[in-house]
Amino acid sequence: AQTVTQSQPEMSVQEAETVTLSCTYDTSESDYYLFWYKQPPSRQMILVIRQEAYKQQNATENRFSVNFQKAAKSFSLKISDSQLGDAAMYFCAYRRNNAGNMLTFGGGTRLMVKP
Amino acid sequence: KAGVTQTPRYLIKTRGQQVTLSCSPISGHRSVSWYQQTPGQGLQFLFEYFSETQRNKGNFPGRFSGRQFSNSRSEMNVSTLELGDSALYLCASSLEGSWTEAFFGQGTRLTVV
Repeated sequence: AQTVTQSQPEMSVQEAETVTLSCTYDTSESDYYLFWYKQPPSRQMILVIRQEAYKQQNATENRFSVNFQKAAKSFSLKISDSQLGDAAMYFCAYRRNNAGNMLTFGGGTRLMVKP
Repeated sequence: KAGVTQTPRYLIKTRGQQVTLSCSPISGHRSVSWYQQTPGQGLQFLFEYFSETQRNKGNFPGRFSGRQFSNSRSEMNVSTLELGDSALYLCASSLEGSWTEAFFGQGTRLTVV
């Protein structure tokens, strides 16, 4: 079975600074997708960024980028120029290819942004 | 385009009762998944329905069941409620394809007393 681990329950960053959230996963599959979701206090999960396992190039979406290390099974999220609106729970998630839309989530990291 | 709609938003039930939660996916999405979110266990996958058929199932007891209708709307049912079933239940809809994004609803907060 696949597992996803987020070792940082809470992180704090100063506004305009950069923060990195960690995620490791365990799978025997070679073809899969990885995601970072954000859950603000409104509770609605929002996709931040996604990565295909077969792509070596790290995904980037504006201020958000990932460091994907397939051999190490590591998938960290870097948030640059942090904004107050980035404060939320962040979840790393795994989905096996061709296995429907079942997501396996990590335990989450609560990110606090200080003004 | 309307997002994923879950009803009701909040629910209080008594232990032993049963409950039905509803999820209306984004138009055109045929895959609907359900997740349970609790402080202790985090986000756990319950099941996924695609074209009215259960495609994936998580590790939950048989008290948790679901179904999907021909218009892709989905319901999940929990029978014989236990205190531990208190949770936020999230529904997500997707287009077909592993690359596609799962769009989540705002959830139903179930409290069992």
